[in-house]
Amino acid sequence: ETGVTQSPTHLIKTRGQQVTLRCSSQSGHNTVSWYQQALGQGPQFIFQYYREEENGRGNFPPRFSGLQFPNYSSELNVNALELDDSALYLCASSPRAGANNEQFFGPGTRLTVL
Amino acid sequence: AQSVTQPDIHITVSEGASLELRCNYSYGATPYLFWYVQSPGQGLQLLLKYFSGDTLVQGIKGFEAEFKRSQSSFNLRKPSVHWSDAAEYFCAVGSQGGTSYGKLTFGQGTILTVHP
Repeated sequence: ETGVTQSPTHLIKTRGQQVTLRCSSQSGHNTVSWYQQALGQGPQFIFQYYREEENGRGNFPPRFSGLQFPNYSSELNVNALELDDSALYLCASSPRAGANNEQFFGPGTRLTVL
Repeated sequence: AQSVTQPDIHITVSEGASLELRCNYSYGATPYLFWYVQSPGQGLQLLLKYFSGDTLVQGIKGFEAEFKRSQSSFNLRKPSVHWSDAAEYFCAVGSQGGTSYGKLTFGQGTILTVHP
């Protein structure tokens, strides 16, 4: 069984640019959540997608957007990058929506904004 | 709003010693509680979870945690630490509804160092 995978592993962008991060969920999982983990901090919830619809969102501006595809893989898009967007971005999949389902995390994408 | 506090940023123990990592949460109802571990360069791995029932929960790698509603705590324990337990540990509470459905709120994390 393949776990959650994310690409790319590392990424360097400059301020004002746009970035797309990708996540493949674990087999049989229809829910994907995205988290931002700044250095020395715990992960912060960005949003959750369930069956291609956003069904929960944290305190992030609209320039953070996402998609979920019919195969339940997902993308996180960030527009107009700012220096504070530098972080580890974690994707997690779960078999169903809701916080009472274990979320399986990928290894993350390290984004550096210069 | 829900929140999680891990009072200890860094803990150092000797191999073979017992361990307790503290976690306090704030949540309006019965919480869904989790402990995750993160090794350098890795994602988060679930150690254990509490939804309801027995307040002492067993997890993987010999870890256990006790839910104490009166203290709003969910402390993680291990009777004998191994060098491979060195990592960062995160406590989290799960949202059960509203606009942040499915959200996990994490604490700041506790870095565990194990001395031989």
